[in-house]
Order: sequence, then structure tokens, then C-alpha cells
Amino acid sequence: DAEITQSPRHKITETGRQVTLACHQTWNHNNMFWYRQDLGHGLRLIHYSYGVQDTNKGEVSDGYSVSRSNTEDLPLTLESAASSQTSVYFCASSPGTGVTGELFFGEGSRLTVL
Amino acid sequence: GQQLNQSPQSMFIQEGEDVSMNCTSSSIFNTWLWYKQDPGEGPVLLIALYKAGELTSNGRLTAQFGITRKDSFLNISASIPSDVGIYFCAGYLGAQKLVFGQGTRLTINP
Repeated sequence: DAEITQSPRHKITETGRQVTLACHQTWNHNNMFWYRQDLGHGLRLIHYSYGVQDTNKGEVSDGYSVSRSNTEDLPLTLESAASSQTSVYFCASSPGTGVTGELFFGEGSRLTVL
Repeated sequence: GQQLNQSPQSMFIQEGEDVSMNCTSSSIFNTWLWYKQDPGEGPVLLIALYKAGELTSNGRLTAQFGITRKDSFLNISASIPSDVGIYFCAGYLGAQKLVFGQGTRLTINP
């Protein structure tokens, strides 16, 4: 079955370290998204991509970067992790067949920055 | 910043009770979606609404797209223990970009 997977599911790192969270989908979806989830804020969009070589900033993009070298993967990189980036991160994808496309979410990656 | 206001933030109910939650915004949305998130999982779509005034059901769940296109509500009838979780409203403001509410955490006492 097609799916979307995130790794690692849990990670603890130190302030200042570079961290990369992986996202891989097998649906051949054009659109991929990264959200972070924090208490009281719901899900906030970090970065998104509408296709290979396309990346766009979301509402909370500072301190994060993404790259889209193929359809299946959208890794999220924290160049220098900060304690404020402790959160649960969700990757999602959608077929991009219009503005009503359903988003399919991964199971999340819990990141703790000490 | 946050563009969807979801309420209530949390609910504590008895099994069998009906539940109602809503989302409002100062912006006009062309699609409203309702998601549910179980602990340790990603959100899963429950209901999608595409037209102002639309009323859609999915089993015990009913959702409506407000006439003004600035609000939506979700009702759950005769709640059961597996309804526990966090419910999110979401809407499309621009092409492909989904904005989420803060979530409603539902707790059910058996």
C-alpha cells in the first residue's frame, strides 16, 4: 500500500546541532508539506513544495530549510537547532489536483532540543 | 499568524452525549476540512466541505460549511470512547495551502 513515512520518530539533540527529518511518500504526490504541532497553536506550516525543485516558505519557516530533489522525498533541515524548535513535526502530501486536495499525514517526528 | 479560531479548546463529556465544536475566521475560505488526530498519530480527514451552506454527514459526524464562508461546525452524536482525540478544522486560503485551527481536545468519561 502507498504510504507516507517519517524518520526518525523520536530524536533528542543539543542546541546548535544540525538535524534532518526525513519524509518519504510512495503515492507519487506532487505536493508535500511540513508542519509543526505545539500546544495552543495547532498545526503551523513550515515549508511546502509543489513539485521537484520547488520549495516555498510557510508561516514559521525561520531556522528551517527543505529541498525537493525527487517526487518522493522532502527532508526538513534545522541548520542550528534551538530549544524553541522542540516540537512534533508532521509531513504531509497531497495529489495537487486542485485547491481541495486532501492532505495525507505521516505519523510525526518528536524532536527535543536540549 | 493564526487565521482560524477553533472552540472550545477542550471538552469533557460523558459517553453517549452529543458534541459540537466550531471554527471561525475573518477570512473567506473556499473549502473546509475536519481532521481527527489520535494520540501518537498524524491527523486523518473526517469530512470535507466544498460549498457554502453544505451539510455533510459521515456516520455519527455532521459538518456544515457556513453561508458566509467564514465558519464551519462539526457535530458528533452519541459519543463513544473511540471518539477521544483532537479535532482540527482546516481551510484552504490559497492554492494548495491548508491553514489549521488550534484543535479541540475531546475527553470522554465512560
